[in-house]
Amino acid sequence: GESVGLHLPTLSVQEGDNSIINCAYSNSASDYFIWYKQESGKGPQFIIDIRSNMDKRQGQRVTVLLNKTVKHLSLQIAATQPGDSAVYFCAENMGSSYKLIFGSGTRLLVRP
Amino acid sequence: IAGITQAPTSQILAAGRRMTLRCTQDMRHNAMYWYRQDLGLGLRLIHYSNTAGTTGKGEVPDGYSVSRANTDDFPLTLASAVPSQTSVYFCASSALGLAREQFFGPGTRLTVL
Repeated sequence: GESVGLHLPTLSVQEGDNSIINCAYSNSASDYFIWYKQESGKGPQFIIDIRSNMDKRQGQRVTVLLNKTVKHLSLQIAATQPGDSAVYFCAENMGSSYKLIFGSGTRLLVRP
Repeated sequence: IAGITQAPTSQILAAGRRMTLRCTQDMRHNAMYWYRQDLGLGLRLIHYSNTAGTTGKGEVPDGYSVSRANTDDFPLTLASAVPSQTSVYFCASSALGLAREQFFGPGTRLTVL
C-alpha cells in the first residue's frame, strides 16, 4: 500500500551546521514529493516540493533530493537557525489527486 | 482575515455531545480539507471538498461529517463525540489541482471526556 515514513524521529544539530532530514516512500506512482514544516502549536507550512521526474530542487536555504532508485527523499537545510526548530513531514501526492499522504514526522532541534 | 481561521482554539467536550469545528478561508481556494493529528503522528485526512457543493471521504471519515455551502467555509461536525476523537484538528485549503501545496489553519485542540 501507500506509505511515507521517516528514518529518524529526532535530529539535534548545532546552530550554523547543515541539517539533513530523511524520508522513505513506497509509492513509486506519486507525482510529487513535498516537505512541510510544523512549528510548535501551529499548523504545517509548505516548504518545498519536487516532481518525480527531478532529482534535485533548491529553495532558499533548503534543497530537496529525490532518489527514485531507493525510494528516498531528503531535505537539506543549510546553516540551520533556531527558527528551523520544528517537526518536518514529508508527504507525497499524485498530481491528479486531492490526497496528501503524510509521514510521521522528524523533530529538528537546533542547539545554540 | 488572512489565510485560514479555525474556531474554537480548544474545546473540552463531554462524550456524546455534538460539536462543530469551524473553518474559514479568504484565499478563494476551491479545495478544502480536514485533518486530525494525534500525538506523535502525522496528519490523517478526514474529509475534503474540491469545490463548493461537493465533499468526499478521506482516510478516517467515520464519526465526522462536513458541508461546503460556499467557497469560504468548511465546518466539521462530530455528531456524538467519543474519547477516541480527542485530537488536534487542522483545516487546510489549496488551489484546485495544487493539493500538494496546502495552507493550514492554526488548529483546534479537542478533548473528549
